[in-house]
Amino acid sequence: EAGVAQSPRYKIIEKRQSVAFWCNPISGHATLYWYQQILGQGPKLLIQFQNNGVVDDSQLPKDRFSAERLKGVDSTLKIQPAKLEDSAVYLCASSLGAGLAGTGLYNEQFFGPGTRLTVL
Amino acid sequence: GQQVMQIPQYQHVQEGEDFTTYCNSSTTLSNIQWYKQRPGGHPVFLIQLVKSGEVKKQKRLTFQFGEAKKNSSLHITATQTTDVGTYFCAGEANFNKFYFGSGTKLNVKP
Repeated sequence: EAGVAQSPRYKIIEKRQSVAFWCNPISGHATLYWYQQILGQGPKLLIQFQNNGVVDDSQLPKDRFSAERLKGVDSTLKIQPAKLEDSAVYLCASSLGAGLAGTGLYNEQFFGPGTRLTVL
Repeated sequence: GQQVMQIPQYQHVQEGEDFTTYCNSSTTLSNIQWYKQRPGGHPVFLIQLVKSGEVKKQKRLTFQFGEAKKNSSLHITATQTTDVGTYFCAGEANFNKFYFGSGTKLNVKP
């Protein structure tokens, strides 16, 4: 079974430039997450999709960050314009989704390798 | 807002010693998950606990979920160098919303 794919793996840009990240979740996974992980910290949820609808984007800096999940499969996360404090690893994760209670299945999140963003 | 606190931030142990990390939530959780992240890697799922007071074991790892479903712990018996990494708890509050702790970085000296 293929895992969560992300690209690019690394990106270096200057502040005020734009950048976009792409994520392809595991086939059949309804829920997709974008996390920001700053060095030495835990993943911070930016946005969560259930199929192609947004479930939670309360921690997404909407003045500069945007995300979409076309047709409920692939997703892109964009930063425009980037700031120095956006330097971090951006992790995409997917899970089967809700409705697993009583099934014996775990709602585990499968993470992609991440995109390391450096803003100079 | 929802918060998940994790302690300690760092733990350095000699190989063979035990290790424990603790996770506390400000609100009741529907379940809690534990992940391990190796240096330079991405978080990998270890276990999910759902029931109040639940205890699960995976070889040398023991996971507990508190009676009030607000706290959890991970205990590793007789650490090995392969246990090196950062251990995160992730509490699920409602409808797939996960709140990750800040992680405990474990270093094991051979």
